[in-house]
Amino acid sequence: NAGVTQTPKFRVLKTGQSMTLLCAQDMNHEYMYWYRQDPGMGLRLIHYSVGEGTTAKGEVPDGYNVSRLKKQNFLLGLESAAPSQTSVYFCASSYSGGNTEAFFGQGTRLTVV
Amino acid sequence: QKEVEQDPGPLSVPEGAIVSLNCTYSNSAFQYFMWYRQYSRKGPELLMYTYSSGNKEDGRFTAQVDKSSKYISLFIRDSQPSDSATYLCAAGNTGGFKTIFGAGTRLFVKA
Repeated sequence: NAGVTQTPKFRVLKTGQSMTLLCAQDMNHEYMYWYRQDPGMGLRLIHYSVGEGTTAKGEVPDGYNVSRLKKQNFLLGLESAAPSQTSVYFCASSYSGGNTEAFFGQGTRLTVV
Repeated sequence: QKEVEQDPGPLSVPEGAIVSLNCTYSNSAFQYFMWYRQYSRKGPELLMYTYSSGNKEDGRFTAQVDKSSKYISLFIRDSQPSDSATYLCAAGNTGGFKTIFGAGTRLFVKA
């Protein structure tokens, strides 16, 4: 049972380049989330999804887009990367909303130069 | 003001000490309170889960919630070097779509 798997684990981008981060979960969870974690800032919610085909903005959505075409996958896109997007990105999933355990992936370390 | 506030530390204690980690929150609708543990370069993992006010104990760990003062605590007894990690408090409510996390407190337990 893999849980939540993120791809890739590390990436270096040049300013202006685009990329997609993939998150896959095998627990049949309805809810999926993308967070970024920066020193002193904790986990900040970028976007989330409450089911297949749905997405919603979180606390820091600017510069990111997401898609949930399949229940098990949640994609995070950066259309034109900026140095301010250098961060560690975590995907998470949960059975329900804020009253249930969230399971996290191992993270993606992204550096934008 | 963030909905969940947490002192980032770092907190350094000797092995065997009792550790107290604390958070405050502002949203009265929160009913579910959680502590996640995050080791370096890993994703957070759920450590303790509490509903409403009161205490919950699991081995060396005790989670405490005081809804009247909007205060969340985690106590670690007989702390071990393996407890060295970042501890994130979190809160949520029924019908809410997401969990709100504190910034995390980094704990070092020295052997």
